[in-house]
Amino acid sequence: GDSVTQTEGPVTVSESESLIINCTYSATSIAYPNLFWYVRYPGEGLQLLLKVITAGQKGSSRGFEATYNKETTSFHLQKASVQESDSAVYYCALNNYAQGLTFGLGTRVSVFP
Amino acid sequence: EAAVTQSPRNKVAVTGGKVTLSCNQTNNHNNMYWYRQDTGHGLRLIHYSYGAGSTEKGDIPDGYKASRPSQENFSLILELATPSQTSVYFCASGDGDWGDTQYFGPGTRLLVL
Repeated sequence: GDSVTQTEGPVTVSESESLIINCTYSATSIAYPNLFWYVRYPGEGLQLLLKVITAGQKGSSRGFEATYNKETTSFHLQKASVQESDSAVYYCALNNYAQGLTFGLGTRVSVFP
Repeated sequence: EAAVTQSPRNKVAVTGGKVTLSCNQTNNHNNMYWYRQDTGHGLRLIHYSYGAGSTEKGDIPDGYKASRPSQENFSLILELATPSQTSVYFCASGDGDWGDTQYFGPGTRLLVL
């Protein structure tokens, strides 16, 4: 079956430092799945951060970026300078066209001032 | 206004009892999904639906039934609840297009004693 592996948390980083959360995937039923990053901020529900559906393309949102790399089957999430408000749990996920998402375990990120 | 709502938000059930978790969406999406989240497993797909009257098995359907009586509503039914079904359950709706983005409800915390 499909699987997603991401950086094991918790990750602690200081404000204005850079952040990278690694994500690699394995998709057995389709060559090029759609890739997503979801985020859950404290006290809020799970929401889409960004998505990329074309291999080689980059998605960005709220200062975060992720590039769909089909050669390395990776979709790492990066931000150059984090803020305290970026403290959240981040989930990498893939889907095979409307058959539900396969999630990684989530990475808890804490940003300290 | 929240587009995906779930009820109840918290539920305590007894082993062997019947539990129904309800989900309502106002996104007018064709696709709806039920996931559960457990420590060490991330979110896992239980059932999904492509529209009113349809239900499909996800990755972990055993012990669960689903019902989609209308475009807006999607229920998850535990006919004989067991302690192993203690979890947090999330409903989502999806637009069904290629690159299906899913929109999640706030979750239902279920405890089976």
